[in-house]
Amino acid sequence: LAKTTQPISMDSYEGQEVNITCSHNNIATNDYITWYQQFPSQGPRFIIQGYKTKVTNEVASLFIPADRKSSTLSLPRVSLSDTAVYYCLVGDEEVSGGYNKLIFGAGTRLAVHP
Amino acid sequence: GAVVSQHPSRVICKSGTSVKIECRSLDFQATTMFWYRQFPKQSLMLMATSNEGSKATYEQGVEKDKFLINHASLTLSTLTVTSAHPEDSSFYICSAIRTGSTDTQYFGPGTRLTVL
Repeated sequence: LAKTTQPISMDSYEGQEVNITCSHNNIATNDYITWYQQFPSQGPRFIIQGYKTKVTNEVASLFIPADRKSSTLSLPRVSLSDTAVYYCLVGDEEVSGGYNKLIFGAGTRLAVHP
Repeated sequence: GAVVSQHPSRVICKSGTSVKIECRSLDFQATTMFWYRQFPKQSLMLMATSNEGSKATYEQGVEKDKFLINHASLTLSTLTVTSAHPEDSSFYICSAIRTGSTDTQYFGPGTRLTVL
């Protein structure tokens, strides 16, 4: 059973803002929400992580409503190099050491056009 | 900070041979590391959780005798694909969690394994 649901694909144009929404209805109290970006034949790259409200870094913003059942990754002014697969993840069952393992969903394939 | 490396980046081997893939956390200690496999156009599939100094925990359906994992130090975990077959050809990716931090996993660049 997938813990997160995202659109399979999205299209955008250079310079536009892109918002990718992820649903995680069964998120647990201690789960963080993490977004990764993956280019072909590369490992996922950490973008942003949050627990509630809004988080912003030099790359993106993450909006989390009060019920935490969804989150939205916002990429400002995308460029062609932002074409990638974006994964939204929440922690899964706890493994030894107290950390949560991550179960990847299908992700969102973002295509940025000139 | 939080750089994870993998070696080799790509490897081609004959069917029946064994291949070892290394995952290193370069600038931090990682008590816990994870190994994933990714087939073309598919998402990452978690194979196992590797903890320093103890046995790895394998996900359901992953053969522990075929995919040997050793996490001998706080900066190194290895995955050995034993008696590799063409169906084992895939992109293998590791990740590491900085000891004492939150759950953020930092991923290596991946290793492309091709079994002939």
